[in-house]
Amino acid sequence: GVTQSPTHLIKTRGQQVTLRCSSQSGHNTVSWYQQALGQGPQFIFQYYREEENGRGNFPPRFSGLQFPNDSSELNVNALELDDSALYLCASSRGPSYEQYFGPGTRLTVT
Amino acid sequence: QKEVEQDPGPLSVPEGAIVSLNCTYSNSAFQYFMWYRQYSRKGPELLMYTYSSGNKEDGRFTAQVDKSSKYISLFIRDSQPSDSATYLCAMIANQAGTALIFGKGTTLSVSS
Repeated sequence: GVTQSPTHLIKTRGQQVTLRCSSQSGHNTVSWYQQALGQGPQFIFQYYREEENGRGNFPPRFSGLQFPNDSSELNVNALELDDSALYLCASSRGPSYEQYFGPGTRLTVT
Repeated sequence: QKEVEQDPGPLSVPEGAIVSLNCTYSNSAFQYFMWYRQYSRKGPELLMYTYSSGNKEDGRFTAQVDKSSKYISLFIRDSQPSDSATYLCAMIANQAGTALIFGKGTTLSVSS
């Protein structure tokens, strides 16, 4: 399945953070979502063949990478208190409605 | 108006009850409709997906889509305590789409 690391993370406002995701075997597309408490996941961006393939309404301080082995990173610069959320990675076989989620990384910004 | 509306509940039912979970949406371009189950502090798990209008059944779960009313439903028969979770509906316009658009989720509690 999809794996994510770390499980939990506490950062201070203004710091930078990197979250990691390994996609499910055979999946070459990774999408990142932010889920605030009590809300549904919000799409951040998607990576396909190591290029950004769509982006939601998130500022440029949210950036990502996809590697040749289809794993991915989400980087957030200049952390704000509102960035506290569960960050979810989803993989799929190509860009698709059929996306499978990892367990998430819970980020707390103090 | 949000693109996808979902009553957050909470919804409490006794074991064995039939549960009905619903979402409405405003974007008529949506063609694919998904239901995810999310246990506390876990990632969403894909339960079912449906293309366009109609019904789809999988064990105790039935998904219905009414595109004319922009309304989708998930029915759970013979509900079990293990069904206690948050249920999220999600939608997308294209088969090769990027962004799933989610509702807020409905929290379900099934008591034994």
